[in-house]
Amino acid sequence: DTAVSQTPKYLVTQMGNDKSIKCEQNLGHDTMYWYKQDSKKFLKIMFSYNNKELIINETVPNRFSPKSPDKAHLNLHINSLELGDSAVYFCASSLSGTGNTEAFFGQGTRLTVV
Amino acid sequence: QKEVEQDPGPLSVPEGAIVSLNCTYSNSAFQYFMWYRQYSRKGPELLMYTYSSGNKEDGRFTAQVDKSSKYISLFIRDSQPSDSATYLCAMKTGGNNRLAFGKGNQVVVIP
Repeated sequence: DTAVSQTPKYLVTQMGNDKSIKCEQNLGHDTMYWYKQDSKKFLKIMFSYNNKELIINETVPNRFSPKSPDKAHLNLHINSLELGDSAVYFCASSLSGTGNTEAFFGQGTRLTVV
Repeated sequence: QKEVEQDPGPLSVPEGAIVSLNCTYSNSAFQYFMWYRQYSRKGPELLMYTYSSGNKEDGRFTAQVDKSSKYISLFIRDSQPSDSATYLCAMKTGGNNRLAFGKGNQVVVIP
């Protein structure tokens, strides 16, 4: 009964490769996010989708392309991986609207680029 | 100036001590203030949520928001080893759900 699940949990790959991370939520939320957490634990939003529509797109290299096939899924594809992309990537989901729209996070995908 | 400042220095306290954490911010449009707790190799989970200025208490945890000073705090009373985690402050405006996070404080409670 996992709420927000990401796969894979660990990903080790070489520079220049293309990789994807998948995320699914079963909470009935309409908004999903990708966050990046660097080695110093700083958590920064990358993208947000509401009902499959991109609503937040922070300053992220265009090698990163999110895709939301439906409101329960948000995948992240990364082209031409670089050493600096090594980080933990978290998927999250919430309901839209104001107020206490708690964001639920997945377990994270630890990406290591060698 | 970063939107949210949180001194990331690790904090070690003996069991039973009071832990005090704080964040400052620059965006006066922030209205919703949160504290997330993140255990090692896990995702963050919401610990406390406060709307606008004021205090909120939940068991051993107290969150305070002072919007006039753009300053928020989290206090943990009677700290336990199970409180050892990274604590991240987060905040958002009312316009969307974009959360701005602080850098996080790693707290270690020593038995």
